[in-house]
Amino acid sequence: QSVLTQPPSVSAAPGQRVTISCSGSSSNIGNNYVCWYQQLPGTAPRLLIYEHDKRPSGIPDRFSGSKSGTSATLGITGLQTGDEADYYCGTWDSSLSAGVFGGGTKLTVL
Amino acid sequence: EVQLLESGGGLVQPGGSLRLSCAASGFTFSSYAVSWVRQAPGKGLEWVSGISATGGTTHNADSVKGRFTISRDNSKNTLYLQMNSLRAEDTAVYYCAKARGYTYAYQLDYWGQGTLVTVSS
Repeated sequence: QSVLTQPPSVSAAPGQRVTISCSGSSSNIGNNYVCWYQQLPGTAPRLLIYEHDKRPSGIPDRFSGSKSGTSATLGITGLQTGDEADYYCGTWDSSLSAGVFGGGTKLTVL
Repeated sequence: EVQLLESGGGLVQPGGSLRLSCAASGFTFSSYAVSWVRQAPGKGLEWVSGISATGGTTHNADSVKGRFTISRDNSKNTLYLQMNSLRAEDTAVYYCAKARGYTYAYQLDYWGQGTLVTVSS
């Protein structure tokens, strides 16, 4: 059971927009930065979003992040077949004194 | 170019030990926290251990406390994970990852390709 809760799967058509939620608590999302990672099949994870809503260089602006209270959301617009991947939220948990991840969400582009 | 290259994985019997290494290049290793993250076959990501830039602060997941020890040698630009009392549930790909910050090893902006650890008799 993950500390952060994500939906197991989401799907949408090419060109559409999708959102992935990540729910936590005051000891993690509520008081620490949230990140989002993309993991394409057979590859290492890649940082998509850090500090709730910032994109590293090279990440297209089709990817966005937001945080409200103890929840965070990843948004992806203009979906492409190449976006099919597993997406994970992550943050620090001050009570556990450890990093934590969500269980992951598999995105299918229909 | 930032590179993280893990090594040391392999097959080990339950109760055995293994030491993973991660050679870093392309950035000032001594200025950033680094972390180990694992992924069991077909499962999600699990944060394992983190160490601050100087090595003075370490953190571990409850699942590995008392069994795994993270350390670093900034003179060699290398991160280590000493794994003792290994269990079948420790079987996973272990990733080395660089953090964006100095103290807390999360917000991981660069990852290695991983090394597979299999615990089985």
